[in-house]
Formats: sequence, structure tokens, C-alpha cells
Amino acid sequence: KAGVTQTPRYLIKTRGQQVTLSCSPISGHRSVSWYQQTPGQGLQFLFEYFSETQRNKGNFPGRFSGRQFSNSRSEMNVSTLELGDSALYLCASSPDGTLNSPLHFGNGTRLTVT
Amino acid sequence: AQKITQTQPGMFVQEKEAVTLDCTYDTSDQSYGLFWYKQPSSGEMIFLIYQGSYDEQNATEGRYSLNFQKARKSANLVISASQLGDSAMYFCAMREGWAGTALIFGKGTTLSVSS
Repeated sequence: KAGVTQTPRYLIKTRGQQVTLSCSPISGHRSVSWYQQTPGQGLQFLFEYFSETQRNKGNFPGRFSGRQFSNSRSEMNVSTLELGDSALYLCASSPDGTLNSPLHFGNGTRLTVT
Repeated sequence: AQKITQTQPGMFVQEKEAVTLDCTYDTSDQSYGLFWYKQPSSGEMIFLIYQGSYDEQNATEGRYSLNFQKARKSANLVISASQLGDSAMYFCAMREGWAGTALIFGKGTTLSVSS
């Protein structure tokens, strides 16, 4: 099985712009989660989608949004970029997002905001 | 209060030695899951091992085992016979509740394996 695929791998954007990151989960996985990783804050949960519905959301401003499509692929959007949004954004999938389902992560998208 | 605490910022071991990476957690839920992930310098997050709160036996996956002490709220990762390729950042994580909940990560431990 192919793993979780995230595109693009690297992005450089300017403050104030917006960005869309894409994630294709493992085939058959219906739950997709997004995490932000920074040196200062570590790994933080953004949101989780299951069957096109957002089930849970982390403590991030409304500039961070996401969606999931009927084929379970997911996109994450960040509007009005700030310097502090520079981070590694990791997408993870699992069959159903239940407690005992390990998350399988993609290689991440490294976003740099200048 | 931190939910996941990893007190060892860095660990240094030689090849073929066993190493224990510490993790303590804090939760009032009865149902929770504990996970360990490995993150090499390339950035990918690799799932290593899982322990459920109701599992009575310690989880094992190849060279990885999880020393689960529920009363002490600890879930230490043991890597037997370290290899050079084990050099990476290791994260302990916890999930509470049932579905769709966040994976809460510790700050990680950097493991360096030398020959």
C-alpha cells in the first residue's frame, strides 16, 4: 500500500498570502488529521476529518481551515500568513480515527513564511 | 499541566546496547492509548508501537517494547540492540476518548547511536 502523500514538500510564501496544502491518505483510511510542528511549540493538533466531517479541532485561529473530500483526500488552508506560521505541517491518516488506530504520517510540507 | 512528559532531551548509546526512553503521562480518562513515534532528520513520523490502557501485557514490536506501568502512569520505550539507524527523535504520545481526538505529543527525546 502507498503511504500518506503530502504535496508540496516545500513552500515559501510571503506574509499576508494564503496557502493550500494537500494530503492523500492511505487507501481505505477515512480519518485524516493535521498537525503543526515547530521547534518552540512542538507538535500541535490542528483538526481531524472523518467522512468529510470535521470531528475535532485544535486551538488554532480561524485562519487555519481544512476540508475533506469524498475520496478521503484532505486539504488544509492557511490564510493571511504570518511569520509564526512557518512550520512543518504533517498529515496523518488512520482507518477510522478510533483510540487504538495508530496514525500514519506523511513526510510533511515544510512551509516558510518570509 | 503537561499531559506527556519526556524528561530526557538527549540520550547517547553505543550500537548493540539496549536503551530506555522515559515517558510519563497524565490523564483522568479510563480509556486512552499510548504511542511511540520515531522522527529521523528527514522529518517523516514513523509509528513504532501502541499500548492501550486496558491492555494487560506490555506491547512488543520487533526490537521495540513498551514498559507500561499504569499505576505510575509511565510508558517507557525500550529499544533492544540499538542500531545506527535508530538515531532520531522519539516522541511519546497519548490519545484520550474514543474517536477523532487529538494525539498529544511530548517534547521528544533525541537518541544518538554511535559505533
